[in-house]
Amino acid sequence: GDSVTQMEGPVTLSEEAFLTINCTYTATGYPSLFWYVQYPGEGLQLLLKATKADDKGSNKGFEATYRKETTSFHLEKGSVQVSDSAVYFCALSDASNDMRFGAGTRLTVKP
Amino acid sequence: EAGVVQSPRYKIIEKKQPVAFWCNPISGHNTLYWYLQNLGQGPELLIRYENEEAVDDSQLPKDRFSAERLKGVDSTLKIQPAELGDSAVYLCASSPEGVHSYNEQFFGPGTRLTVL
Repeated sequence: GDSVTQMEGPVTLSEEAFLTINCTYTATGYPSLFWYVQYPGEGLQLLLKATKADDKGSNKGFEATYRKETTSFHLEKGSVQVSDSAVYFCALSDASNDMRFGAGTRLTVKP
Repeated sequence: EAGVVQSPRYKIIEKKQPVAFWCNPISGHNTLYWYLQNLGQGPELLIRYENEEAVDDSQLPKDRFSAERLKGVDSTLKIQPAELGDSAVYLCASSPEGVHSYNEQFFGPGTRLTVL
């Protein structure tokens, strides 16, 4: 079945460092791809999404490009802040809108 | 606009006791989901409702878990009896009408269950 594999954490960076969190997927059809973020004590929030190949999702300085040829949707940010510390989940949704999540990557940004 | 509301936020019970979680989705969202999130893992779907109909409950352990959404709005997830392995966070999510792969799901804060 459909699945998502994302980079294991935890990831610790200094403020203003460049961030990449890798995500690859396996799907039989043409899923939509998502990045969700979970701040401490809160529910998951949509960070960005892309619904077809070559689409780029972006929000709050984060971006990810839907790469069908490499079945990837890597999350990037050019300069992280302490407030970006959270757990990041890559996910895909198929035609029935069933969402499959990766295991999550914990990011800690130090001042 | 109010988000997805869940209660309680935390619950501690002894094994073999029953427990229930409540969810009120965003107004107008016809699709409601219950997820299980184990520590260090991503959410896993337990059941999906379209209005009051459970359209995907294949991952719900039906021997001890049950769910209902009687009026197609709020929903209750129940465990009876609870086991030690049920300790986890139970998440509720909702999405707008229509089943499309691009529909964002909106999540509540979750209920953290501890079974002693």
